Amino acid sequence: AQSVTQLDSQVPVFEEAPVELRCNYSSSVSVYLFWYVQYPNQGLQLLLKYLSGSTLVKGINGFEAEFNKSQTSFHLRKPSVHISDTAEYFCAVRGAQKLVFGQGTRLTINP
Amino acid sequence: DAGITQSPRHKVTETGTPVTLRCHQTENHRYMYWYRQDPGHGLRLIHYSYGVKDTDKGEVSDGYSVSRSKTEDFLLTLESATSSQTSVYFCAISETGGYYEQYFGPGTRLTVT
Repeated sequence: AQSVTQLDSQVPVFEEAPVELRCNYSSSVSVYLFWYVQYPNQGLQLLLKYLSGSTLVKGINGFEAEFNKSQTSFHLRKPSVHISDTAEYFCAVRGAQKLVFGQGTRLTINP
Repeated sequence: DAGITQSPRHKVTETGTPVTLRCHQTENHRYMYWYRQDPGHGLRLIHYSYGVKDTDKGEVSDGYSVSRSKTEDFLLTLESATSSQTSVYFCAISETGGYYEQYFGPGTRLTVT
């Protein structure tokens, strides 16, 4: 069975600082991985995805993630965050006919 | 943006009453999903559909039923609402199940008093 663990439930950072949101996965099938963002009072929208190819994936709003097969990780990074990045972030892995989501990481940006 | 709408967007109902939430898509995607989101629990899958009249249970299906009579509509019914079903409900669609991304609707905030 597939599973996702997001290692931090909350991450506070200062504006313009770098950030890393951690995600580890478990999967017995070909790995497809996703990061979603949820801004306050909105639905989820796709940030980026890894299906195959380059292990460094670039997404929207300056985010990127690196697929590491040996460490079964797919951490999300941004070199300099902005107040507008305040949101909840979800990591997901391909499952049988569906996606399996992590519990989410709440990113808070302090001025 | 993917064409997904949910109705109603907000609803307050009393314990014991039936409630139906509607998800409508204009993308002709095969898969449709219902999730609930609660603080501390992330997203939990309630039911999903892999075609017209084809549905399956998710991890928190007790107390919920679904129906899909047309490709574009996926209904979630709470037969007798309870306070534990107070939540935000999201619908999502996908072309190919777990192989590609899901697109999410704006959500329905349901309060059961």
